[in-house]
Amino acid sequence: GEDVEQSLFLSVREGDSSVINCTYTDSSSTYLYWYKQEPGAGLQLLTYIFSNMDMKQDQRLTVLLNKKDKHLSLRIADTQTGDSAIYFCAEKGDSTLGRLYFGRGTQLTVWP
Amino acid sequence: EAQVTQNPRYLITVTGKKLTVTCSQNMNHEYMSWYRQDPGLGLRQIYYSMNVEVTDKGDVPEGYKVSRKEKRNFPLILESPSPNQTSLYFCASSFSLANYNEQFFGPGTRLTVL
Repeated sequence: GEDVEQSLFLSVREGDSSVINCTYTDSSSTYLYWYKQEPGAGLQLLTYIFSNMDMKQDQRLTVLLNKKDKHLSLRIADTQTGDSAIYFCAEKGDSTLGRLYFGRGTQLTVWP
Repeated sequence: EAQVTQNPRYLITVTGKKLTVTCSQNMNHEYMSWYRQDPGLGLRQIYYSMNVEVTDKGDVPEGYKVSRKEKRNFPLILESPSPNQTSLYFCASSFSLANYNEQFFGPGTRLTVL
């Protein structure tokens, strides 16, 4: 399968910005996703970006895609304690026949 | 309400005792999938189904079986569970694999095999 890598942990203070990074290997990626998993719950789609885009903004969320370096990031502005969760990067491409490949997840902890 | 449901949510069992985890979706989705989540390993796909009677292996299919006799249901079967199958299991569905189609996840089933 394809490789999707993320750091495992990130801690920030409430009100600061959080940046979660992800790298992937599939050069045929068409869509890249960020999913959020709150404690005891399943995953929910947070946002996604099409591979021909560099950036996507949605309220406090900014997704940056560097296709050349196969690097994806999720920036959360004004991070709140309710943003504490595990964030998964996932990619889908032609080589995966449309299946999603997930990273290991980044545990974001927001301190008051 | 559009949702993916899984049962049971929690299960403790013993090695070798066959079990089935059910998954059902009410969104008329064609694609369904099972994942397992383990600490530090993220989500790994076990099996998936593109439509009724069409199933295929994911990345970690050993020790599991699935069936897709109806569009809405996609049960995961462990014929002879072993302790290394202790994990958190998620069922997911989407309309198709085309384009960006969002995968909707169930709430998870936490399985412990003693």
